[in-house]
Amino acid sequence: QAGLTQPPSVSKGLGQTATLTCTGNSDNVGDQGAAWLQHHQGHPPKLLSYRNNIRPSGISERFSASRSGNTATLTITGLQPEDEADYYCSAWDSRLYAYVFATGTKVTVL
Amino acid sequence: QVQLVQSGAEVKKPGASVKVSCKASGYTFTNFHINWVRQVPGQGLEWMGWVSPSSGDTGYAQNFQGRVTIARDTSITTSYMELSSLTSDDTALYYCARMGDHTKPDPDYWGQGTLVTVSS
Repeated sequence: QAGLTQPPSVSKGLGQTATLTCTGNSDNVGDQGAAWLQHHQGHPPKLLSYRNNIRPSGISERFSASRSGNTATLTITGLQPEDEADYYCSAWDSRLYAYVFATGTKVTVL
Repeated sequence: QVQLVQSGAEVKKPGASVKVSCKASGYTFTNFHINWVRQVPGQGLEWMGWVSPSSGDTGYAQNFQGRVTIARDTSITTSYMELSSLTSDDTALYYCARMGDHTKPDPDYWGQGTLVTVSS
């Protein structure tokens, strides 16, 4: 996989705030932004935020996305046990002419 | 409601091909691209390619060029992904996903996944 970097894991306590980052470049995140997905094993991924930082219908306000330059951020407030999952950012890469996924961040709620 | 229903699990021998289908309902099929994504056990999500249901245009990831074919049949609102020359490395869960509209073309609805096992 090319271009998007996420930390492999983040651990936070129940009720705390987790901040996940996704670093790309001017061909992907810096160009059009990044989407965020939550993936519980055994289930299909769920879109949490479109690349324009808009949440799809039904997604909790506890999930909010933003972008600064080539780095996108997903903030999860009031962490709940069900938030334990893998989180992926994704973006269209205009140089590769491909949709790319980062390697994902595993969130653990302590 | 939007639904993407995929075909069932497959077991294939090395060198064979597999064809997975994705039946869409609950929206205008031709208005949204379909993408295919896979997850090899223990690894992350990997994009394979896309199809425009309206035009039939396709695009493929470099890793799968020459080995994957994505198509659609608008009469039955179904997309297909065919992967050839299978090896054990292709054992994975394969997903189809609808991409959002042109202002936010990200995967907003997903099929349930199809497990493809490649084993001799």
